[in-house]
Amino acid sequence: AQKVTQAQTEISVVEKEDVTLDCVYETRDTTYYLFWYKQPPSGELVFLIRRNSFDEQNEISGRYSWNFQKSTSSFNFTITASQVVDSAVYFCALSEASNTGKLIFGQGTTLQVKP
Amino acid sequence: DGGITQSPKYLFRKEGQNVTLSCEQNLNHDAMYWYRQDPGQGLRLIYYSQIVNDFQKGDIAEGYSVSREKKESFPLTVTSAQKNPTAFYLCASSMAGRDTQYFGPGTRLTVL
Repeated sequence: AQKVTQAQTEISVVEKEDVTLDCVYETRDTTYYLFWYKQPPSGELVFLIRRNSFDEQNEISGRYSWNFQKSTSSFNFTITASQVVDSAVYFCALSEASNTGKLIFGQGTTLQVKP
Repeated sequence: DGGITQSPKYLFRKEGQNVTLSCEQNLNHDAMYWYRQDPGQGLRLIYYSQIVNDFQKGDIAEGYSVSREKKESFPLTVTSAQKNPTAFYLCASSMAGRDTQYFGPGTRLTVL
């Protein structure tokens, strides 16, 4: 069965601290996709990144970076120099092997960045 | 502006009433999805459609129905058979099955 685990339910940091959100996944598929979404208080899910299972290169986008390690089935997300606007719920998700596009979501990590 | 719209943002209904949630997209996406989110939980798939006039059940389809008569529209009906309908409902769309899904702003349904 496919599963995504985000063990950190809530994280609280002070502005400018770095913070890492953990994501561990389970799948028997050799081809899959991993995603991170941000859900601000308004509720809409905002797409952050999509990673192909064959591409283990780490990615950096501004203050955001992602570390994908197939050996440990992890896809962790780091925010450098956090800001109050980063406060949100962050979801990690895994796509099924079939072409249905069904996403399997983790429970989400609530990040609170205090000024 | 291209995007996904959901209406209304907040919806209140009495127990036993059917209610339909709207989802429209102008991204020319083939695939559309409905998810349900309960407090403190991740999203769960209700229904999805990869092409007009075709749709499939997701993990929690009981008590829900959908239609896909137009590419742009994928309305969700929450029927009286749904035991616990109060939740946040999110619609998403993607170019095709395994492409990135983009989400609408959501509808918060409260059944009184």
